[in-house]
Amino acid sequence: KNEVEQSPQNLTAQEGEFITINCSYSVGISALHWLQQHPGGGIVSLFMLSSGKKKHGRLIATINIQEKHSSLHITASHPRDSAVYICAASSGYALNFGKGTSLLVTP
Amino acid sequence: DAGITQSPRHKVTETGTPVTLRCHQTENHRYMYWYRQDPGHGLRLIHYSYGVKDTDKGEVSDGYSVSRSKTEDFLLTLESATSSQTSVYFCAISDVGNQPQHFGDGTRLSIL
Repeated sequence: KNEVEQSPQNLTAQEGEFITINCSYSVGISALHWLQQHPGGGIVSLFMLSSGKKKHGRLIATINIQEKHSSLHITASHPRDSAVYICAASSGYALNFGKGTSLLVTP
Repeated sequence: DAGITQSPRHKVTETGTPVTLRCHQTENHRYMYWYRQDPGHGLRLIHYSYGVKDTDKGEVSDGYSVSRSKTEDFLLTLESATSSQTSVYFCAISDVGNQPQHFGDGTRLSIL
């Protein structure tokens, strides 16, 4: 089983700050996923990446395959970014999920 | 948004009763998954399906069974519910096994 660790577990930031969430995994993967879960439960896929970097709006995801590490960055954070961010490592059909990072962005 | 509907959205039941949760999709995706989400744990895979009548166990399958008689429906059954199965259950779908999964809104199940 691929062990997926996220840090930090909880994060509070002020509006406008640059935010980084980290994810490490224990064995080789075919892809790394970042998901977002808002209060109330809905889970949305943000990124799937197997190398390099992807950007969508203010969100940037990077992965370093050699170091088995990925980061999710949020630039110019906003209170609507408050959510739980989850990384998941996939090999084949299966996703192994981290426990999530709870982000609160205050005005 | 991917067309995924979970039913019921909330259920309270008693220990020992059977419970069936339904996941319905309108996307004609091949893969369907059932997860449970508990505090202190990440999402954990219960069972998944890779086609009609093709299912397999996940990480936490004990006490659960599944069926998929049609592409669009994936049922999760707790034959005799226990309090340890109190959780939020999510269904997800994907067109290809390694692609992003689209999640339903979840079912909050409480077993007293």
